[in-house]
Amino acid sequence: DVKVTQSSRYLVKRTGEKVFLECVQDMDHENMFWYRQDPGLGLRLIYFSYDVKMKEKGDIPEGYSVSREKKERFSLILESASTNQTSMYLCASSLPVAGRSNQPQHFGDGTRLSIL
Amino acid sequence: AQTVTQSQPEMSVQEAETVTLSCTYDTSESDYYLFWYKQPPSRQMILVIRQEAYKQQNATENRFSVNFQKAAKSFSLKISDSQLGDAAMYFCAYRTQAYKYIFGTGTRLKVLA
Repeated sequence: DVKVTQSSRYLVKRTGEKVFLECVQDMDHENMFWYRQDPGLGLRLIYFSYDVKMKEKGDIPEGYSVSREKKERFSLILESASTNQTSMYLCASSLPVAGRSNQPQHFGDGTRLSIL
Repeated sequence: AQTVTQSQPEMSVQEAETVTLSCTYDTSESDYYLFWYKQPPSRQMILVIRQEAYKQQNATENRFSVNFQKAAKSFSLKISDSQLGDAAMYFCAYRTQAYKYIFGTGTRLKVLA
């Protein structure tokens, strides 16, 4: 089975801090994604990557950056954390979707981040 | 831009009964994929069922089936013989031709004993 591991389930940080959320997958997936999940808003895509060192902005990239130096690891960075970034963060991975491929995403357990 | 709408924030069903969760989407793409994910209180999102838009036949996975109406852009999930373990948030998702997945806002399903 695919395993997507997020480094922390709970994290508390202070405003202005630089925050790193780490995600590792063990199935050699090309595609990796970061979402934030808020009540009533569902999942919103922050960034995604379809290859090492490649990244694409999602729907809400402001205040975030990402790093993908190795295929298995995709990091989300909050450059200067703010209280409105308090949320649940979900990482996901998937195989490439070239052609007619119904490959789904596989998710980690999520990191509940609180910014005080 | 594509959108996914789940109009039922919360649903309840008696154990052993059948429930249908609604999902509609908007797109100009002709080829795409649709998914239903389940997120139990333990938080990990789990794939429930998937549907290819080019297939007319509705997908089925054990007690879970979909009613896919491409012209109406509707993709509802039917859960038969509901069990306590089915209680969770359910998200409908659309995958675009550009790798992106777009999720609805979710429906919380409660299963009553």
